[in-house]
Amino acid sequence: NAGVTQTPKFQVLKTGQSMTLQCAQDMNHNSMYWYRQDPGMGLRLIYYSASEGTTDKGEVPNGYNVSRLNKREFSLRLESAAPSQTSVYFCASSAGANNYGYTFGSGTRLTVV
Amino acid sequence: GQSLEQPSEVTAVEGAIVQINCTYQTSGFYGLSWYQQHDGGAPTFLSYNGLDGLEETGRFSSFLSRSDSYGYLLLQELQMKDSASYFCAVRVSTGGFKTIFGAGTRLFVKA
Repeated sequence: NAGVTQTPKFQVLKTGQSMTLQCAQDMNHNSMYWYRQDPGMGLRLIYYSASEGTTDKGEVPNGYNVSRLNKREFSLRLESAAPSQTSVYFCASSAGANNYGYTFGSGTRLTVV
Repeated sequence: GQSLEQPSEVTAVEGAIVQINCTYQTSGFYGLSWYQQHDGGAPTFLSYNGLDGLEETGRFSSFLSRSDSYGYLLLQELQMKDSASYFCAVRVSTGGFKTIFGAGTRLFVKA
């Protein structure tokens, strides 16, 4: 009963380094999302994938890229990390259609120094 | 663009009822959701309103008025474990379906 699994849970990067955050869901959901959460600002949508093979920009896509590898997996890449990208990153999935609730992963706490 | 307004903090007493309001301005509005998040945890889905009216799920109820661009979450019989942040979120259909979150309301439940 894993739901949405994110790796890693914690990461410290130096400015300019790159990394990929991994996300996988085992609920056969069509849609997947990446959000970042900063103190006092709620969750902001970075990128989303409405279905396998499609990706779209959200509210704050600059500095990020995504890949919907297959129906289960949706990765987020930081090509050149900046201190402004220090945040908690959440991956989420939803079945779409008439099921509107999102299931979130446990998050990745990223610090860029 | 999209904007959501909700109070930053609410305090209530154990056993009481509390209402968290949310107003929104958005294009392509499809529905309003509510999520709960405990400190250090992930958001968890509470409810969704696609049509006007009240939806009830146990101690929690959610209301939507599309004409007023307004909704609320009602928590009854408050328990200490209800201390958490609560987010309203709008489902919009611009450029595909996605959900935009408000900044959240921190609820403190006192004994």
